[in-house]
Amino acid sequence: KAGVTQTPRYLIKTRGQQVTLSCSPISGHRSVSWYQQTPGQGLQFLFEYFSETQRNKGNFPGRFSGRQFSNSRSEMNVSTLELGDSALYLCASSLAPGINNEQFFGPGTRLTVL
Amino acid sequence: GNSVTQMEGPVTLSEEAFLTINCTYTATGYPSLFWYVQYPGEGLQLLLKATKADDKGSNKGFEATYRKETTSFHLEKGSVQVSDSAVYFCALSEVMGAQKLVFGQGTRLTINP
Repeated sequence: KAGVTQTPRYLIKTRGQQVTLSCSPISGHRSVSWYQQTPGQGLQFLFEYFSETQRNKGNFPGRFSGRQFSNSRSEMNVSTLELGDSALYLCASSLAPGINNEQFFGPGTRLTVL
Repeated sequence: GNSVTQMEGPVTLSEEAFLTINCTYTATGYPSLFWYVQYPGEGLQLLLKATKADDKGSNKGFEATYRKETTSFHLEKGSVQVSDSAVYFCALSEVMGAQKLVFGQGTRLTINP
C-alpha cells in the first residue's frame, strides 16, 4: 500500500508570491492534517480536514488556507509569502478523526522563501 | 493551553547504552500520548502510544509509560543501536476525536558505534 505522498518535495519561492502544496493520503484514508516544522517553533498544527470539511485550525494567519477534495486529496495554500514561512510542511492521513486512528505522515514539502 | 516539554538535546550515546528521553506534558482532561521518530529526510513515524493512565506503549525495544501523577511519558530503551539515531518527538493528542497533535521540541539522538 502506497504511503502518504506530498508534492512537490522541494520548492523555492520569493517573498510576496503564493504557493500551493499537495497531499495524497493513503488509499482509504479520509482524514488529512497539516503541520509546519521549523527549527525555531518546532512542529505546529495547521489544519485538519475530514470529508471535505475543515474540522480544526491552528493558530496561523489567514494567509494559510487549505481544502480537501472528494477523493480525500488535500491542498494547502500560502499567499503573500514571508521569509518566516520557510519550513518543512508535513501532511498526515488517517482513516478518520479520532485518537485511536493512527496518523501516517508523508515525507514533507520543504519550502524555502527568498 | 496544552503543551509538551522534552529534555533538550542533542543526546549522544555509545551503542548498547541505556536510553532515557524525558517528556512531561500539561493538558486538560486525559490526552493520549505518543512518541514519534523522524529519520533524516523523512516524515514522522509513530513509535509508540498510550491512551490512558498507567498504559505502557512499546515497540522495537522502546517503552514509555503514561504517568498521570507526574504528567510524564519518558521514552526508554535498554540497549540502543546505531540505527536508532534520529530525532524523537513526544506528542499529545487533544481530547475527544481530535486529530490535532501537540509536539515537544524534539530530541536529536546520535548513537556512536
